[in-house]
Amino acid sequence: GQQLNQSPQSMFIQEGEDVSMNCTSSSIFNTWLWYKQDPGEGPVLLIALYKAGELTSNGRLTAQFGITRKDSFLNISASIPSDVGIYFCAGRLETNAGKSTFGDGTTLTVKP
Amino acid sequence: NAGVMQNPRHLVRRRGQEARLRCSPMKGHSHVYWYRQLPEEGLKFMVYLQKENIIDESGMPKERFSAEFPKEGPSILRIQQVVRGDSAAYFCASSSGQGNEQYFGPGTRLTVT
Repeated sequence: GQQLNQSPQSMFIQEGEDVSMNCTSSSIFNTWLWYKQDPGEGPVLLIALYKAGELTSNGRLTAQFGITRKDSFLNISASIPSDVGIYFCAGRLETNAGKSTFGDGTTLTVKP
Repeated sequence: NAGVMQNPRHLVRRRGQEARLRCSPMKGHSHVYWYRQLPEEGLKFMVYLQKENIIDESGMPKERFSAEFPKEGPSILRIQQVVRGDSAAYFCASSSGQGNEQYFGPGTRLTVT
């Protein structure tokens, strides 16, 4: 089956620093999604990408859909303490009837 | 506009008992997805349902697990004769169409003792 490799597994950064995380896959996806999950809650969608090469921003977050359709990255600029959480990438193929394949997450810790 | 609702939020069952997890999709959404999350892992797809139909159950274990989404009422994920390995967080998501955004509920944390 399809698998996503997400890295890094965890990050410890100082408040104000920029953060970058990425996902790679051995197979292509038509849609890339980035979610944030707080402890005890469900994932919340941050950014959705639908076209190869697309670069999309949402406030301090920027994500790109790789040209090969096999990778995506998420950048967070000027991190703040509330950015703490687990960030997941997910890929979707239209032929998969809407189901998403998730990476194993990047745990972000921000030190004030 | 209420989001996706799941209940119970926490469920404790002894080995061999049955677990029933409920999911009410967002208003206007008729597509429901169930995912399972083990500690320190990503979500793993289980099943995709539309009203009264199972569209894709490729992620469902072959035995003991079943799901339904009746014409009226919430979607139900049912686990019979639970075992310790079933302990996990179970998330439901809903969307207004197959390719549309999926919105997740807060999850049900199942603990099997």
